[in-house]
This record gives sequence, structure tokens and C-alpha cells, in this order.
Amino acid sequence: GAGVSQSPSNKVTEKGKDVELRCDPISGHTALYWYRQSLGQGLEFLIYFQGNSAPDKSGLPSDRFSAERTGGSVSTLTIQRTQQEDSAVYLCASSLLRSQETQYFGPGTRLLVL
Amino acid sequence: DAKTTQPPSMDCAEGRAANLPCNHSTISGNEYVYWYRQIHSQGPQYIIHGLKNNETNEMASLIITEDRKSSTLILPHATLRDTAVYYCIVRAPNSNSGYALNFGKGTSLLVTP
Repeated sequence: GAGVSQSPSNKVTEKGKDVELRCDPISGHTALYWYRQSLGQGLEFLIYFQGNSAPDKSGLPSDRFSAERTGGSVSTLTIQRTQQEDSAVYLCASSLLRSQETQYFGPGTRLLVL
Repeated sequence: DAKTTQPPSMDCAEGRAANLPCNHSTISGNEYVYWYRQIHSQGPQYIIHGLKNNETNEMASLIITEDRKSSTLILPHATLRDTAVYYCIVRAPNSNSGYALNFGKGTSLLVTP
């Protein structure tokens, strides 16, 4: 079946602009995660959605970052007033249930802030 | 979640078995061992996981020692496409330490012709 998809695959933006990144999880998966990976670094957790519960936003680095998940499926990560340090690969993952820890990742969105 | 230790890099000849070790001496009884890999410029890919029994799927085999303090991921016939960073993660279901997978540094596997 289809895996996790993300769009756009690449995004170049100017400092100060807002960007929106999209994630389509695997159909039927109730848990959705956003991570980011800076060049040569490990994965940094950003936010987690589980069904209709309030999201865990504990990993968001600043209030410029926000995310929503509409209808329990598609998620959008928004970065306002982008900074150069926001440049990274933004990865989305989904899992069937919270209790099932196997997370399946999308290909990522490569964000470059000039 | 228990801490894991992996060698930073390994080489393997194409067609040979790649054996990637992972130490997790502080693993708890309810923690699973997960393996992911990340090929350059791609998202992490799930490979396999296990609790205490050895596991095998179409991608790899996972051998967990009887005391569960270490494990080995085996790619039986490595190909050039298996060149990637391999991550060993120890995690309990419904962990209270958060939802993020801690990938650590992993082992960079280079498969050579």
C-alpha cells in the first residue's frame, strides 16, 4: 500500500517568509509525528498527534512553529517568519496506534532558508 | 528508554553477510529492540524489531542474546543499496519518556563492490 507522503519535496524560501509543509500519513494510522533533521545531525522530535487527542507540542523549538491535523489524517506544519537556522529536512512519520511503536517515515521535505 | 551503543562505521563486501552489533546492557524486560536505517537523502526506513526471540523478515534477521543485553542485525547478502546508517533503538510500548524515537549516532555501513 501507499506509504507516508510529504510535499513539497524541496522548498527554498527567503528569511522572514512563512512556509507550510504537508504530510499524508498511511491510511488508517492514528498516530502522526513530525521530526526535523539538520545536516549531519540526528532526528529532533517536534510534535505528535494521536487521534482526536490534544497534540504533544513539547518538541516545537519556538512559537514560530505550529502544526495541525485535519480530520485525523493530513497534517500541516507551518513555520512563520523563517530563519536560516530552520533549514533542515522535515520528516513526518505515522504509526497505526500509539501503543505500536513502529513508525513509518515519509521521504521528508528539504527546507532551505536563504 | 535504555541506551544503545553501536560502532560508528563498518564495511562489508557486496554479496557477503553484514552483521551489525548493538549493545543495550540496561534494557528492561518490556523494552523491544528496533532497527531502522537511513539511506542518504531519504527518510528513515523500518527494518525489524523483536523482544527476546530471534526475528526474520524479507529484509533482515535480528538475533537477540539470551540475556537481551546485545543484539545483531544481519543482512544476509548485502548489496550496494544497503549502504546506509543503521540505527538500533530500544523502546517500551507506551513509553512515558515521550514519543520520539531516539536514533542516536547509528552505524554507517558501507557496502563495497
